[in-house]
This record gives sequence, C-alpha cells and structure tokens, in this order.
Amino acid sequence: TQLLEQSPQFLSIQEGENLTVYCNSSSVFSSLQWYRQEPGEGPVLLVTVVTGGEVKKLKRLTFQFGDARKDSSLHITAAQPGDTGLYLCAGVLSGYALNFGKGTSLLVTP
Amino acid sequence: EAGVTQSPTHLIKTRGQQATLRCSPISGHTSVYWYQQALGLGLQFLLWYDEGEERNRGNFPPRFSGRQFPNYSSELNVNALELEDSALYLCASSFSYGYTFGSGTRLTVV
Repeated sequence: TQLLEQSPQFLSIQEGENLTVYCNSSSVFSSLQWYRQEPGEGPVLLVTVVTGGEVKKLKRLTFQFGDARKDSSLHITAAQPGDTGLYLCAGVLSGYALNFGKGTSLLVTP
Repeated sequence: EAGVTQSPTHLIKTRGQQATLRCSPISGHTSVYWYQQALGLGLQFLLWYDEGEERNRGNFPPRFSGRQFPNYSSELNVNALELEDSALYLCASSFSYGYTFGSGTRLTVV
C-alpha cells in the first residue's frame, strides 16, 4: 500500500505552460518534502514544508502543504525544458524513515 | 563539502550470488538510509542506520541486510540474488530535515 499517492503519473507539456502536481495521503505527516530526480542520479531535495497551510516559493515553483498536513501540491509557472525530471513527494511519519510517492514524470518540450 | 558517495556505480551479478553495496555519508551525518528504486515501484525503504544501530527496516526479506561502521559509512548486502532484485539502490544521509542522496548503485541480476 502506497502511503502517498501522486498525480498525474506522467505529464508532457510545452515550454511556457503552467502545471500542478498533487500528493495526497490519508495519513498526517509531521513534514513533507519534494524532490526532483534526473535519470541516473539520486533525488535532490527541493523544499520541506512543516506547517499546515504553509506556502513556499522557489523561483517558478510554488509548494503548498494542506491545512490538515495530509496533502501537498507543486505548481510550476512557465515551465522550461530544464524542469524535466521525476518529481517525488515524501513524508515522515513519527519514528520512521521517509515514505515516498511513486512520482510524477514531467517532460517539458521546447 | 563532499556529498554522499556510493560504490560501485554499476554491478552485474548472477542469480543466487551475493552483492555488497557501499555508502559514505556526508561528514557529520550519523543517519544512513537505504532505498530500492525498481522500475514502476518508486523508492521503497529498505534500512535505516543511526549511530551504528539498525533503527528500522522496510518490508523486505532477511536476505537484505546491512551494517553501519564506526565512521558512519554503511554497507548493504543482498544474499541469494533474484532477478527482481535488479534496481537502483540509493543511499541517503541526513542531519535534520531532508535527505541528501547519492547517485546510486545500479544492480543488474542476470
């Protein structure tokens, strides 16, 4: 059973478009993180959100943590080819290691 | 600051053999996590070591084992290899929030 469900699984868009990726769970997490992974590499941490309702911005990327701390979203404005990759959300349940969603594979074409 | 280093980069083994994967965490990080990333399954938690002790393990059979050395480096051993063990094995270390991943070891079982 996957604790974190990500949608969509795959997304192919053109440069300049906006997109939103979702991460949902029935569990409450003390914190939630987003990573990006490129082929042949390990995931790289983008952001950590801790407080329910928290919004964090990283250039063109906006991350939001749900009020109940069960879900999160990642919004990319004016996507660029360099945004291509696998986006993973991950959450910590008390006393356990990070649980990862299966990821959203994003392809941005020029 | 050196990142998380894993060796070897690639490993090809025959079914039934044993594989040993190695990980050096970032200096000062005492926790090491191992994950398996098989095609279509996302990152599955394998093992968590902290201060030389196994803190938690994921839902994997006992033939997946490991240890952490006094210098906090870690080793993952997979015995009696099966074809479905073919995957990217990722090691991560952490200090507080967020994991820093290595580039992984690509294990292929033939």
